[in-house]
Amino acid sequence: KNEVEQSPQNLTAQEGEFITINCSYSVGISALHWLQQHPGGGIVSLFMLSSGKKKHGRLIATINIQEKHSSLHITASHPRDSAVYICAVTRGSNYQLIWGAGTKLIIKP
Amino acid sequence: DTEVTQTPKHLVMGMTNKKSLKCEQHMGHRAMYWYKQKAKKPPELMFVYSYEKLSINESVPSRFSPECPNSSLLNLHLHALQPEDSALYLCASSQEEGLTEAFFGQGTRLTVV
Repeated sequence: KNEVEQSPQNLTAQEGEFITINCSYSVGISALHWLQQHPGGGIVSLFMLSSGKKKHGRLIATINIQEKHSSLHITASHPRDSAVYICAVTRGSNYQLIWGAGTKLIIKP
Repeated sequence: DTEVTQTPKHLVMGMTNKKSLKCEQHMGHRAMYWYKQKAKKPPELMFVYSYEKLSINESVPSRFSPECPNSSLLNLHLHALQPEDSALYLCASSQEEGLTEAFFGQGTRLTVV
């Protein structure tokens, strides 16, 4: 079993829909990261969380430390949100990211 | 400036060539990282530099040689690569090695022929 599990693996939705991507982890963590990777390759860090909730524009990330679960929400989704969304966790003091497999999101116009 | 700049964006090299990948950041970050990413897989950590010193080498073959000439620059020297080394090579930086957010470059897509 992977230490970081994401669901769904693939998600296709219509423009405007509310999107939720889930991440569960089985290890103790110091922080959880949500990242976005477009087909071109570059990775953008969206959020780094250790508790609670963060919001940036149309993106919201939540984490429940007791349940070892995090969600990434996208409101009013747009075709430019199409990308792979990756959940990763860090443990201890080193930036050793433990990566989830990613969720490929496609938003259709 | 919150960018990590990688050059070149694409590189095709023969197995006998020597080439270098470059990474630059001007955010004052003291930790810099090289990752290798194969298609449809998460990135794999290769090297970590902290305050210009090699901090982590994830058992990477010696045909990959990292160099950190100063706090803003990170190079990856390539020599005698194999076709299976073809991948996306990503550079990242963070304020410190540890619990700080990382910024990634756009990557160099390397093809070894």
